[in-house]
Order: sequence, then structure tokens, then C-alpha cells
Amino acid sequence: DVKVTQSSRYLVKRTGEKVFLECVQDMDHENMFWYRQDPGLGLRLIYFSYDVKMKEKGDIPEGYSVSREKKERFSLILESASTNQTSMYLCASSPHGSGAPDTQYFGPGTRLTVL
Amino acid sequence: QKEVEQDPGPLSVPEGAIVSLNCTYSNSAFQYFMWYRQYSRKGPELLMYTYSSGNKEDGRFTAQVDKSSKYISLFIRDSQPSDSATYLCAMKTTGTASKLTFGTGTRLQVTL
Repeated sequence: DVKVTQSSRYLVKRTGEKVFLECVQDMDHENMFWYRQDPGLGLRLIYFSYDVKMKEKGDIPEGYSVSREKKERFSLILESASTNQTSMYLCASSPHGSGAPDTQYFGPGTRLTVL
Repeated sequence: QKEVEQDPGPLSVPEGAIVSLNCTYSNSAFQYFMWYRQYSRKGPELLMYTYSSGNKEDGRFTAQVDKSSKYISLFIRDSQPSDSATYLCAMKTTGTASKLTFGTGTRLQVTL
């Protein structure tokens, strides 16, 4: 069974803090993704990565950065947390594909509250 | 205008009913169409996918794509309380990129 784990289920941080969200997958997948999920807006892609040390901006990268030093680990960094970054953060991974719908496997999510 | 539109619901149906969930889209380059199910406090899981137009059936679930109308549907027959969840449609174009575009999700409640 594919497993995607996220470091925390719930996190409360203060405005201006640097926040690290960690994601680990155990299926040797090449692709990893970070989304945020907000009511009425659905899932929005923040960043994704096709390989170690590679990253691509998604639809809403502002205020975020990522790091992928190892294949199994993809970190999302909020450089200076703000209240509008309060959200559910979901990590996903998928095997490399050539057009077929690479199934994305999601982690359980981290609910981040920024006060 | 969003690329993918989905009615957020909530949709409440009695057990045993046939459920119809729908999405419309504007990008004619979308070729792959997926339905994800998300239970409360969990991440989404892939339920079904179809390529281009047509129907696909899996047990009580049928996915339908009408590319001419830019409209996709998920039908659930003999709905069960365990089907209560949020259903998200997702789409992607062909190519090596695996980027999905999601709908906002429809919350379904199946009552006893």
C-alpha cells in the first residue's frame, strides 16, 4: 500500500514565523505535490517536483518555497507565515508517467492555523 | 471564470438512491478525467478515471464524459451511508506533466 505521511495533523503558528511542513512517501515515486484546500476554492497547487532537487511553481506559489533533497521527502516552507495562509495543506505523490493519469496518492493533510 | 466548475452541495439523498454528481469545464485540451473521494479529515483518494469521451463502470459507480458539452458526471447506484463524503472531479491534459486541475468538490450525505 502506498503511504504518504505528513509531519503534523494540526499546527498553530504565529504571524511572521517560519513554518516547515514535511511530507514523506514510501513508494519511490518521482512526482510530489503540495496543495492547499480551502472551502469554496477546492485544491490549489502550490508547488510540485518531478525529481530530486527539481521544483516547479504551481498556481499559487507566492509566500511559499519548497525543498526536495531526497526522493522520498518534499518539504513546504512558509517563509513568514501570514493569517491568509491558514488552510488545510495536502501533500501527494505519483509515479512518473507519459500522459496517463498518474494516480496521485494523498497524505492525510495538515490543518495549519496562523494567529 | 474557473477552468472547472462543480456544485458544492451539500447533496442529501436517502439510502438506495441514485446519485448524480457533475462538473463542467472550459479547457478543451483536457483529456483525462478523474473522480476523487474525500472523507472528512482525510486526503482525497482516486475513485475512477476515464480517458476522452465515453463511459466507465466500476461496481456501483459509473463515470461519464461528454467532451462536446465539456461535461462530466459520476453516478452512484444504490447509494450507501458509507458513500457520504466530498467528491472532487479532476482533469488533466496529455503530456508528461502530471498537473491536475480540481473542481471545488460536492459534499454528499446519504441518510438512513
